[in-house]
Amino acid sequence: GAVVSQHPSWVICKSGTSVKIECRSLDFQATTMFWYRQFPKQSLMLMATSNEGSKATYEQGVEKDKFLINHASLTLSTLTVTSAHPEDSSFYICSASDYGGSLNTEAFFGQGTRLTVV
Amino acid sequence: GESVGLHLPTLSVQEGDNSIINCAYSNSASDYFIWYKQESGKGPQFIIDIRSNMDKRQGQRVTVLLNKTVKHLSLQIAATQPGDSAVYFCAESRNYGQNFVFGPGTRLSVLP
Repeated sequence: GAVVSQHPSWVICKSGTSVKIECRSLDFQATTMFWYRQFPKQSLMLMATSNEGSKATYEQGVEKDKFLINHASLTLSTLTVTSAHPEDSSFYICSASDYGGSLNTEAFFGQGTRLTVV
Repeated sequence: GESVGLHLPTLSVQEGDNSIINCAYSNSASDYFIWYKQESGKGPQFIIDIRSNMDKRQGQRVTVLLNKTVKHLSLQIAATQPGDSAVYFCAESRNYGQNFVFGPGTRLSVLP
């Protein structure tokens, strides 16, 4: 299947700082990328959907000014957690899809980023 | 909407037995479903998918069954192996892949 690379795989940061997480589609053009958050022993919760070249669509309850999403190219989307707090500590996962392309409708997931805010 | 839970339901099966993992989905308009496997600390991995115009689809050692009448999805794993131990999520979407909503997940534990 197609490969989605997420970086970093884990990060520890101090409260008040910002952290950027990258999501790259390595062998296909991702017209749409999704960002999820997963707390321990819980399911994935969709945070936002981003289409290349346009603003991300955020799910209800997700602060767009705190979780900045940029999808500037067909192979890269970034999630920046601004002014991070300990409650932002979580597992963040991206997925990418090529709707209308050869990949049909399947979304491929990155390996996730474990964020710990201290 | 999203599904959350503090404790994942757990299914324990003996190695070599068949496993059946169930999922109740919420939206009758959902037309595309995927089963994902997630190992600890990793992102979900695609297992098998099914569209709403089908009620059964088979892969290698896995079968997905869809019952639209009762909004129920199941994943059957034949001859379960230790490597199958993971958390399994079903995901539903409308418009064939837009905006997936994940189920709460089931932890599969394979006993030796």
